[in-house]
Amino acid sequence: DAMVIQNPRYQVTQFGKPVTLSCSQTLNHNVMYWYQQKSSQAPKLLFHYYDKDFNNEADTPDNFQSRRPNTSFCFLDIRSPGLGDAAMYLCATSGRDGSSYNEQFFGPGTRLTVL
Amino acid sequence: KNQVEQSPQSLIILEGKNCTLQCNYTVSPFSNLRWYKQDTGRGPVSLTIMTFSENTKSNGRYTATLDADTKQSSLHITASQLSDSASYICVVSGRNNAGNMLTFGGGTRLMVKP
Repeated sequence: DAMVIQNPRYQVTQFGKPVTLSCSQTLNHNVMYWYQQKSSQAPKLLFHYYDKDFNNEADTPDNFQSRRPNTSFCFLDIRSPGLGDAAMYLCATSGRDGSSYNEQFFGPGTRLTVL
Repeated sequence: KNQVEQSPQSLIILEGKNCTLQCNYTVSPFSNLRWYKQDTGRGPVSLTIMTFSENTKSNGRYTATLDADTKQSSLHITASQLSDSASYICVVSGRNNAGNMLTFGGGTRLMVKP
């Protein structure tokens, strides 16, 4: 089945130790998003790729970086995780024509714990 | 500023009962409104999507309504089941150059008890 896959589902890292979260999709969608969701809060958009064009949200900390080596894969790199970065990280994709009608399909998320 | 507000923040009902969740938004210009269900520790899953011209849309026991004049939407759950326990998120899409930016509500956390 076409889907959005995130690995790992659970990630534990130490304070300040770099970590990479992975997202892959089989939907052939051209837009991929990374969201941060803290407990009992709505998802917060960090950045998105429109094809290869990277779009950073104004309030996304420099500590967060992203890479999209091809259509199918997108990575979230957290260079020096702090305790406040512990959260669920959601990857989403949306379709090719760029219409705002297009639905965003979410992956299952990666729950990050920072010790 | 685009905002989506949901009420109540949390709700407990007995299995088999009906419930209605509310969503008010100030996103402009409006494109569409979605209701997502998010199980604990999982990503959101779409339940319904409605454009400006649609007043109601159903998906099984879930029925969403939209009043674009008052900028309100509701999600009605009929004959609730234990598996309905989840957070329900109202998400409004506004038109911009990127075309896919969403404004999320804070969600309603529903617990269905036996």
